[in-house]
Amino acid sequence: ETGVTQTPRHLVMGMTNKKSLKCEQHLGHNAMYWYKQSAKKPLELMFVYSLEERVENNSVPSRFSPECPNSSHLFLHLHTLQPEDSALYLCASSQDGTGVGYTFGSGTRLTVV
Amino acid sequence: GENVEQHPSTLSVQEGDSAVIKCTYSDSASNYFPWYKQELGKGPQLIIDIRSNVGEKKDQRIAVTLNKTAKHFSLHITETQPEDSAVYFCAALTDSWGKFQFGAGTQVVVTP
Repeated sequence: ETGVTQTPRHLVMGMTNKKSLKCEQHLGHNAMYWYKQSAKKPLELMFVYSLEERVENNSVPSRFSPECPNSSHLFLHLHTLQPEDSALYLCASSQDGTGVGYTFGSGTRLTVV
Repeated sequence: GENVEQHPSTLSVQEGDSAVIKCTYSDSASNYFPWYKQELGKGPQLIIDIRSNVGEKKDQRIAVTLNKTAKHFSLHITETQPEDSAVYFCAALTDSWGKFQFGAGTQVVVTP
């Protein structure tokens, strides 16, 4: 496997469920990111991790909880979500903070019912 | 903070014609400007980028121009083909740790 891999590709969950999104990068990058992509809106940066340390949390509600156990893996734990949280969640990684090699995964399409 | 505006939101072109998408940014400290192409069901893919010390960059049918004074940059696609149909995003990097600001995207449709 190469690049950035996200699982699952699609997820439907109820508002009381707990689920997790997974991202794995095979590029040897040091930084990883979570983005939310909603229709007709710019990509919204949610979280940034550098060398497994969280360096950014853009006022994201606590029902979204990131976890970065090592530089190759990133998780987004979800609980008690709202229907407006339905979106495409994209993971990305980069070599460092200069934007070099910035690579996106294919995303997880999340639907909250 | 940085704000990136992208126009147009949709663009329909005849195959073989050129397509131009424009973005403006607000932070004069921005120093890196990538363009991404997103096809249905896929994540954004980098197609071309430019740094603030360069005015123009070309890669086959794709080119990007940067005007730092006016704070805008543009994507040019020549001799468009149906496979160019996708959503294109511009972005600007101003901060550390790869924190981009993205434009809202342009849906490009190339008709045969």
